[in-house]
Amino acid sequence: GNSVTQMEGPVTLSEEAFLTINCTYTATGYPSLFWYVQYPGEGLQLLLKATKADDKGSNKGFEATYRKETTSFHLEKGSVQVSDSAVYFCALSRHSGSARQLTFGSGTQLTVLP
Amino acid sequence: ETGVTQSPTHLIKTRGQQVTLRCSSQSGHNTVSWYQQALGQGPQFIFQYYREEENGRGNFPPRFSGLQFPNYSSELNVNALELDDSALYLCASSSTSGSSYEQYFGPGTRLTVT
Repeated sequence: GNSVTQMEGPVTLSEEAFLTINCTYTATGYPSLFWYVQYPGEGLQLLLKATKADDKGSNKGFEATYRKETTSFHLEKGSVQVSDSAVYFCALSRHSGSARQLTFGSGTQLTVLP
Repeated sequence: ETGVTQSPTHLIKTRGQQVTLRCSSQSGHNTVSWYQQALGQGPQFIFQYYREEENGRGNFPPRFSGLQFPNYSSELNVNALELDDSALYLCASSSTSGSSYEQYFGPGTRLTVT
């Protein structure tokens, strides 16, 4: 079946540090890949996406590249801010019957200190 | 453009009771998916509705059921509540038009079963 594995958290960084959150997936065919972010007490917000191999998704300084050869979609940001503190979820989207469902990783808690 | 809304925000129920959660999809979206997010975990797919019918289901028992209405809004019903049903319930809407596979999430309903 489909699955997503994220690096274990929590991750604590100082402001302006470089961020990498690793994500690997298992799926048949060519899933679409996503990163969602969840701020405390809120629902999930779509951060970025990639729908085919070698696509790079980017938004708000975050980037992730769809690597089919390594089945990975690692999230990176060159300089994190305190406001980036949140839980980050990697997810894949595949058809299950006639539905297109998201399969999520367990999330990585990021705390950025001033 | 109106985003995904959910009601109520919080709910406390007793084991064995029944609960109904509501979701209004984002304008222009015709598909609604429901997810259960236990504390500290990633969301788990419950089911998806399209054209007022369930078109995909995750690994949840039949006491989890739903409805979709002609205006694409949706309800999630849970019968015979168990303590393990305590979670954040997220609704996500999406569109079947085009090749975009993004799902947009509401803020969630926090259900506590005592």
